[in-house]
Amino acid sequence: AQSVAQPEDQVNVAEGNPLTVKCTYSVSGNPYLFWYVQYPNRGLQFLLKYITGDNLVKGSYGFEAEFNKSQTSFHLKKPSALVSDSALYFCAVRDQTGANNLFFGTGTRLTVIP
Amino acid sequence: NAGVTQTPKFQVLKTGQSMTLQCAQDMNHNSMYWYRQDPGMGLRLIYYSASEGTTDKGEVPNGYNVSRLNKREFSLRLESAAPSQTSVYFCASTFDRAGANVLTFGAGSRLTVL
Repeated sequence: AQSVAQPEDQVNVAEGNPLTVKCTYSVSGNPYLFWYVQYPNRGLQFLLKYITGDNLVKGSYGFEAEFNKSQTSFHLKKPSALVSDSALYFCAVRDQTGANNLFFGTGTRLTVIP
Repeated sequence: NAGVTQTPKFQVLKTGQSMTLQCAQDMNHNSMYWYRQDPGMGLRLIYYSASEGTTDKGEVPNGYNVSRLNKREFSLRLESAAPSQTSVYFCASTFDRAGANVLTFGAGSRLTVL
């Protein structure tokens, strides 16, 4: 069965510092991996995805994520955090065994401190 | 381009009351989904509709029913609301549920059951 783990409920980082939001996954076969962001009182917005190819994926707002097959991880990163990056971040994996539904992690709240 | 529109945005119910959450998308998407979001639990799939005329259960379907009224609209009904159904509900859609297609989310409907 597929699953996604986000081990940190909360990540705090100073503005201008690099940030990392962690995600590990478990899925049969090759994974399709996603990051979504949720700002207060809004729906989720797509940030980036990994399907195949280059392990470093670049997405919206300067975010990137690194796919690591041996560690089954897909950590979200940004070289220099902005206060406006403060939000709730969700990692997700697509089930490729029939239903093809998207399974989400529990979310990590990122707070960027001015 | 409105994307995914959900109504109502807020609703308070008493235990045992019924209500329907409405969702409509204007992107000609084939697949539609209902998720619920609870603190510490991320997003969990309630029901989905892979295409017009079909609906299937997700992870947490108990207490809910759905109707795919046409290609644009996918409604979620609570026949007899319970306090455990207090949550934020999100509708989402995608053109094709297979592969790495991205979900587009509505802004959410916050439901409180007293």
